[in-house]
Amino acid sequence: GAGVSQSPSNKVTEKGKDVELRCDPISGHTALYWYRQSLGQGLEFLIYFQGNSAPDKSGLPSDRFSAERTGGSVSTLTIQRTQQEDSAVYLCASSLEVTSAFFGQGTRLTVV
Amino acid sequence: AQSVTQPDIHITVSEGASLELRCNYSYGATPYLFWYVQSPGQGLQLLLKYFSGDTLVQGIKGFEAEFKRSQSSFNLRKPSVHWSDAAEYFCAVGDLKLIFGAGTRLAVHP
Repeated sequence: GAGVSQSPSNKVTEKGKDVELRCDPISGHTALYWYRQSLGQGLEFLIYFQGNSAPDKSGLPSDRFSAERTGGSVSTLTIQRTQQEDSAVYLCASSLEVTSAFFGQGTRLTVV
Repeated sequence: AQSVTQPDIHITVSEGASLELRCNYSYGATPYLFWYVQSPGQGLQLLLKYFSGDTLVQGIKGFEAEFKRSQSSFNLRKPSVHWSDAAEYFCAVGDLKLIFGAGTRLAVHP
């Protein structure tokens, strides 16, 4: 597709369950980012992938959060044992250069 | 510490009026600066960016921004606002990891 695609667009899960969020970046983009947007915290950086380099995981809030990027393309963000404070919109972005990131429409996660 | 401050949480303007959204940053090196817009239920759309060179940058939808190093500011402007500009606007600084401001929500009165 022409833009960054995220799925699902909405996810409701029970506390304690695991969830997987998917991101399809723009074709050819070497960099992929995950951000989280919540009412109390605004937009927060989570993790960054660039080519074959080791990802920058410095923004992941706890060890319940992990992400992988397969074949330098699709990425999955996994949250284990979800908590209510994980409720937020998770945004994925990709870029060809270091700058000029293009964002997807996000996955709204609600933990009940 | 690196940070971005958007002093105005909400701004209301009349359609056709001019607009200026403020952004101040704290960043150790020469910053890359961005403005993004987010409409309800949508992702972030890049309006414009500044890397170097001319300090007045033009973006999409008639927006422009001016980088002022002495004031650590990167304010967004539009000479005449349209009702469709109602959205939330985010200023950001960084390169690999963007640091976002808290956002300014713009309302436009007819």
